[in-house]
Amino acid sequence: QVQLQESGPGLVKPSQSLSLTCTVSGDSISSGDHYWSWIRQHPGKGLEWIGYVKYSGATHYNPSLTSRASISVDRSKNQLSLMLTSVTAADTAVYYCARASLNVDDYGAGSLVFWGQGSLVTVSS
Amino acid sequence: DIQVTQSPSSVSASVGDRVTITCRASEGISNWLAWYQQKAGKAPELLIYAASTLHSGVPSRFSGTGSGTDFTLTISSLQPEDVATYFCQQGNDFPWTFGQGTRVEIK
Repeated sequence: QVQLQESGPGLVKPSQSLSLTCTVSGDSISSGDHYWSWIRQHPGKGLEWIGYVKYSGATHYNPSLTSRASISVDRSKNQLSLMLTSVTAADTAVYYCARASLNVDDYGAGSLVFWGQGSLVTVSS
Repeated sequence: DIQVTQSPSSVSASVGDRVTITCRASEGISNWLAWYQQKAGKAPELLIYAASTLHSGVPSRFSGTGSGTDFTLTISSLQPEDVATYFCQQGNDFPWTFGQGTRVEIK
């Protein structure tokens, strides 16, 4: 069974950078078949897709993050990472990593089949 | 960005009732719509993909229909374990976008 596990600091100061890691088990990021995504959920609110990384390192981001987001992959550790710079209180959220298939015949386009349990990040001084 | 408008924002129904949730996309997305269930304090879980295909292990009382811009999630007979917030999400174009969510409660 595919499992994803987020980890990182739960508290970040304003203007600093938020850094999270997602460790994948039960699948290899190097298999090349998936979009490895980050999604966030503000407290009591809806879901916002942040972006994805493929095994090749290719990325795509939500323009709403105004170039503050960076997603990378470490194939040797089977991990993906998220960095978000210049954070403010508005970046306080639960951050999830998730996997979607590149092949629409598997689960359709963009369906996030496997999710981590989420990591709450609070931005506060 | 493709906007996805979900309604209602909340619904309260009795056990055994039929519950319907709708999502409308701001432009055509073919059938690239997924539905998720999120229980309190948990991560979302995929219920339906490609608008109408039930994900493995999801009870058959859940169903999805629609294509283009209008989509529906139906719970045919509401059960206590269905108390959750439900989200739709379009995967037709980047950035992937979600509906605002519908909270389902037992009356």
